Amino acid sequence: GAGVSQSPRYKVAKRGQDVALRCDPISGHVSLFWYQQALGQGPEFLTYFQNEAQLDKSGLPSDRFFAERPEGSVSTLKIQRTQQEDSAVYLCASSLGPTGVRETQYFGPGTRLLVL
Amino acid sequence: GESVGLHLPTLSVQEGDNSIINCAYSNSASDYFIWYKQESGKGPQFIIDIRSNMDKRQGQRVTVLLNKTVKHLSLQIAATQPGDSAVYFCAEILPSNDYKLSFGAGTTVTVRA
Repeated sequence: GAGVSQSPRYKVAKRGQDVALRCDPISGHVSLFWYQQALGQGPEFLTYFQNEAQLDKSGLPSDRFFAERPEGSVSTLKIQRTQQEDSAVYLCASSLGPTGVRETQYFGPGTRLLVL
Repeated sequence: GESVGLHLPTLSVQEGDNSIINCAYSNSASDYFIWYKQESGKGPQFIIDIRSNMDKRQGQRVTVLLNKTVKHLSLQIAATQPGDSAVYFCAEILPSNDYKLSFGAGTTVTVRA
């Protein structure tokens, strides 16, 4: 079946430009996560949604980062006024149920963002 | 801190041999661990998980061992194949929450033909 999909796969932005990254989770998955992966490092947690509710945004590095999931399915991660340090792979993951049960998170292919 | 770390950043293994990838964790209260495989240009792919009430768990060609005494985790891959070449991450979900994966830096496995 279809897995998590993300678009675009690659994005080049000029410093100061706003970008929007899209995530389509596995159909029916309640939980959705965003992670940031710097080159050569493991992914780091950014934010978590349960349906449309953003329950944890503790990992967002600054107020330039904003995520939404208005209808409880597709999610968008927006970065305003991009900086060079925002260059990374942004990964989206989803899991079937709400938290309380530690479930497998299935990852998408990621969006590779390069800020020049 | 509470990060999950790996002992070796790279591992080269002959095709057909067994591979062992190690991981150390620092939080003795951690109770859930996951191994992910990440191929170039792709997202992490779930391999196997283990909870702290277990010492060993087996999957298809993979075995995860957990030693809580020394806070050590290992992933064993039997009869390593070229398709096993990837970066392997161990990750934990900290006891303070049910969902936030905390990853180590990863081990790059290269399979020699």
